[in-house]
Amino acid sequence: QVQLLESGPGLVKPSETLSLTCAVSGGSINNDNYYWGWIRQPPGKKLEWIASIYYRGNTFYNPSLKSRVTISVDTSNNQFSVKLSSVTATDTAVYYCARQGSVTGTYYFDSWGQGTLVTVSS
Amino acid sequence: DIQMTQSPSSLSASVGDRVTITCRASQGISNYLAWYQQKPGKAPKLLLYAASRLQGGVPSRFSGSASGTEYTLTISSLQPEDFATYYCQQYSTNPYTFGQGTKLEI
Repeated sequence: QVQLLESGPGLVKPSETLSLTCAVSGGSINNDNYYWGWIRQPPGKKLEWIASIYYRGNTFYNPSLKSRVTISVDTSNNQFSVKLSSVTATDTAVYYCARQGSVTGTYYFDSWGQGTLVTVSS
Repeated sequence: DIQMTQSPSSLSASVGDRVTITCRASQGISNYLAWYQQKPGKAPKLLLYAASRLQGGVPSRFSGSASGTEYTLTISSLQPEDFATYYCQQYSTNPYTFGQGTKLEI
């Protein structure tokens, strides 16, 4: 049973860069069948997909965030990361990492981390 | 972007009731539709994918159907643990988008 665990600062100042890492256990990130993604949920609001990455480095971004987001993978440590630059209060959210199918028709998220709250405030 | 519109936004029901939640896509998504259950302070849990396929371990009282761009999640007999917020998600087209959620309350 794969498990995902997010880590990173819970407080980021406006205009700075938010950085989070997701450690994957119980399975290898080097899996042809999966992408690895980030999703966020502002307090009381709906879920928003941010970006996904394949273990070979192929990346997919939400166009609305693409200019500020970088997703990367570290296969040697079985983890992947996301950076969001120039944050504002509207980036305050619970950030989830999740496993996503990589075959056409399977791009849903079948395993999720517990989530980590990131607050943007000075 | 494909907009996903859920209805109702909230729903009151009782244990044993049959409930239906609807999700409408702003354009065709070829049944590439997933349903998730989220309880307070927890991550979403995948219930169904491909509009009607049950994820492993999910009780059979959950079912899904599709008609054109309208998708339905049905819970046949509500159990106490089913009171939660439910989200639909289309995974047909980038960006993958979610509905605004339906809060199911006692």
